[in-house]
Amino acid sequence: EDKVVQSPLSLVVHEGDTVTLNCSYEVTNFRSLLWYKQEKKAPTFLFMLTSSGIEKKSGRLSSILDKKELFSILNITATQTGDSAIYLCAVEGFNSGGGADGLTFGKGTHLIIQP
Amino acid sequence: ETGVTQTPRHLVMGMTNKKSLKCEQHLGHNAMYWYKQSAKKPLELMFVYNFKEQTENNSVPSRFSPECPNSSHLFLHLHTLQPEDSALYLCASSQGTSGAKNIQYFGAGTRLSVL
Repeated sequence: EDKVVQSPLSLVVHEGDTVTLNCSYEVTNFRSLLWYKQEKKAPTFLFMLTSSGIEKKSGRLSSILDKKELFSILNITATQTGDSAIYLCAVEGFNSGGGADGLTFGKGTHLIIQP
Repeated sequence: ETGVTQTPRHLVMGMTNKKSLKCEQHLGHNAMYWYKQSAKKPLELMFVYNFKEQTENNSVPSRFSPECPNSSHLFLHLHTLQPEDSALYLCASSQGTSGAKNIQYFGAGTRLSVL
C-alpha cells in the first residue's frame, strides 16, 4: 500500500522566516509527486515533480525531489501571512499494467505565519 | 476560482435522509474524482471516473453512490449515512489519469454533517 508521511504536522513561524516542509513516501511504482496548498477548502496545485534533483520554482516557493531517498521538500522563503495554509503532498503510482493508481495524499503540514 | 464548482457548500442531514452532492467542471477535463477529507486524516480517494466510466472504487460503503452522466458532471448520492461520515467532500477533475495529465483541480468542497 502506498504511503505518504509529511512533517512537521504543524509549524508556526514569523513573517520573513524561511520554512522547509518535508514529504517522504513509499510507493510500489512511482510516477510523480505533487504539492498542493489548501487555504480554506479547495486545494490548489503548486508543483509536480518527476525527476530527482531538478528544482521547481515559483516565486518564493521551490521544491525538489530525491527519488533515491524517497522524499521531497517544499521551501518557502521570506514568508508572508498569506502563506498560512495546509500544504499537502501526494504521490502518483502506477499498477503492473501501467495504469494509474490515483493519488495518495499525506496528512498535510499546517503552516501558520505570524505577523 | 478553480473551474470546479461544488454544491451545496454546506449540508446537514439526518441518518435516514437521502441527499446528493453535485460537482461541475468547466475545464474540458475527462477525469473526475470524489475525495473525503476528515479531521486529522489524509484525503481519501473514493471514486474515479475517466471518460464517464468508473475506473476506481476504493472500498467505499454502498451508502455512497456516485453518478457521472457526462465528463463535466459528477454526483454523489447519499443515503442512510452514519455520523462518522461527517467530513469535507471534495471533487476534483483532471485532463487524464496519469502523468502531467493527472494534475487535479479541486472544488471548494461540501461540508457534510450527519446528525
